[in-house]
Amino acid sequence: DTGVSQNPRHKITKRGQNVTFRCDPISEHNRLYWYRQTLGQGPEFLTYFQNEAQLEKSRLLSDRFSAERPKGSFSTLEIQRTEQGDSAMYLCASTGRGPNTGELFFGEGSRLTVL
Amino acid sequence: AQRVTQPEKLLSVFKGAPVELKCNYSYSGSPELFWYVQYSRQRLQLLLRHISRESIKGFTADLNKGETSFHLKKPFAQEEDSAMYYCALKNDYKLSFGAGTTVTVRA
Repeated sequence: DTGVSQNPRHKITKRGQNVTFRCDPISEHNRLYWYRQTLGQGPEFLTYFQNEAQLEKSRLLSDRFSAERPKGSFSTLEIQRTEQGDSAMYLCASTGRGPNTGELFFGEGSRLTVL
Repeated sequence: AQRVTQPEKLLSVFKGAPVELKCNYSYSGSPELFWYVQYSRQRLQLLLRHISRESIKGFTADLNKGETSFHLKKPFAQEEDSAMYYCALKNDYKLSFGAGTTVTVRA
């Protein structure tokens, strides 16, 4: 499977702990997105990378959240001092170098449960 | 600000019946709209985009700028159409999604 890969698929943690999610985009894609999805809602934009540059961060991304994309390949999303409200599905998506057609290729997501 | 509204959370239809999923948007500019679909235990994927004016899996969607709508339609629903459907609006390089509509097609 050469699609977008996310790890771990599931994470259960206690409030106050730090968690990190990893996303490996489709290899030739230079644009990478993180979205968050809670129950009954559509995906909400968190942040966007073009190559290694983080070009936009949503207001949803508090100071406890940080995302990186070193070398413009895989990306990590870290949540520090997790809160119960952080429980959600975290989706990664990527798209290619050509004109932005609006087609995003999504991973299967990383589900976070904060106890 | 851009916004996408899908007023129906759930939609249940019988096989062979027509199905229409509603989507309304607000956007100051020329909108680009999409429908994404998530089948059970699969990842979210693009179904169709308005700019292509294509029919995918029997689904069509027409952009109505006067009514700011982009409803998704299929004349004869099939059981394999049961899925979660999201309407999305492109703003620069990112997409804003609606809350989604769960479609169940009953035999």
